[in-house]
Amino acid sequence: KAGVTQTPRYLIKTRGQQVTLSCSPISGHRSVSWYQQTPGQGLQFLFEYFSETQRNKGNFPGRFSGRQFSNSRSEMNVSTLELGDSALYLCASSSGTSGVNEQFFGPGTRLTVL
Amino acid sequence: GENVEQHPSTLSVQEGDSAVIKCTYSDSASNYFPWYKQELGKRPQLIIDIRSNVGEKKDQRIAVTLNKTAKHFSLHITETQPEDSAVYFCAAKTDNYGQNFVFGPGTRLSVLP
Repeated sequence: KAGVTQTPRYLIKTRGQQVTLSCSPISGHRSVSWYQQTPGQGLQFLFEYFSETQRNKGNFPGRFSGRQFSNSRSEMNVSTLELGDSALYLCASSSGTSGVNEQFFGPGTRLTVL
Repeated sequence: GENVEQHPSTLSVQEGDSAVIKCTYSDSASNYFPWYKQELGKRPQLIIDIRSNVGEKKDQRIAVTLNKTAKHFSLHITETQPEDSAVYFCAAKTDNYGQNFVFGPGTRLSVLP
């Protein structure tokens, strides 16, 4: 099976702009989670989508949003970018079935906000 | 909510020696504990995991132990090799249905030849 893919791999934006990141999960996986990774804060959970519905949400402001499509692909949007949003954004896919926990990460999108 | 602590933050060992990384969690309802390895510039890779109904799990040179009473779990790597050098993250999850993991801050392991 093909692994988790993310596009684009690199992005450079300026403050105030918005950005959309995309994640394609492993075929058959219905759950997609998003994480922000920074040197100072480590890996922080943003939200999880399962069957096109947000199932869990972390402690991030409303500027961070997401959605999932019927083919399980997911997008994450960040509006009104701030310098502190510079980070590696990772998505992870899993089957989403109760009791099945393993999740697999994509390569990430490195966002730089200038 | 859940909080995961991880120690040490950096660890250097000689090739062939063992390495141990320890994590503690706060939520006694957590029931799944994976370990990820992240090499420089690469994605985190799941290397081993353990469920709360198991005390120990081993996969070749890697083992994980879980002490539910003390709420801590550890990663043990034996016969370390230079390719084991990476950042290792522990994590904990409570929700059986969701995938909202809480990660430890990571341990940078350096295996010196």
